[in-house]
Amino acid sequence: GESVGLHLPTLSVQEGDNSIINCAYSNSASDYFIWYKQESGKGPQFIIDIRSNMDKRQGQRVTVLLNKTVKHLSLQIAATQPGDSAVYFCAVSAGGSNYKLTFGKGTLLTVNP
Amino acid sequence: DVKVTQSSRYLVKRTGEKVFLECVQDMDHENMFWYRQDPGLGLRLIYFSYDVKMKEKGDIPEGYSVSREKKERFSLILESASTNQTSMYLCASSTPGQGRNEQFFGPGTRLTVL
Repeated sequence: GESVGLHLPTLSVQEGDNSIINCAYSNSASDYFIWYKQESGKGPQFIIDIRSNMDKRQGQRVTVLLNKTVKHLSLQIAATQPGDSAVYFCAVSAGGSNYKLTFGKGTLLTVNP
Repeated sequence: DVKVTQSSRYLVKRTGEKVFLECVQDMDHENMFWYRQDPGLGLRLIYFSYDVKMKEKGDIPEGYSVSREKKERFSLILESASTNQTSMYLCASSTPGQGRNEQFFGPGTRLTVL
């Protein structure tokens, strides 16, 4: 089955810096990847997703990079703000009729003013 | 916007009680999921349902059951609550198709079993 790991459980950055959060997955058949943000006391919220036919996708201040060769996924947040402080985790799906997601354990991002 | 609601934000129950956690989604999604979230363990899938009256076990179904009598509602049942079921419970829904499996989450229910 799929396993999803994370490189760092915590990350602390200064306001205005760029943040990079990483994720590694094990199943080469995985074809859909999501990043979620979870603020304290709330449910996870969708940030951005990417399919395996792409290696980069950009949103507002966020970019997801996918390296299928090494099965690595990263989330980049530009000009990090205090409101970005939250737990971020990736989720991976093998796609097709498999609608299940396997989640990483999350990285707690702390933004220092 | 998709809205997933859960019946309670906080719940305190005693060991041995039967506990019902309710989840409702308003976007006509086929798939619904129950997870528990614990520090250091991330989200773990308890049960999911891909249609009314259909259910499948997730990774940690022991001690839980589910019910899906209507498309919009998915209930998680703890038949006899135990202290090791103290956790944050998250409900999610999704719709298949177009290769996207994005799940939409409710706010969570923090359950404490004494």
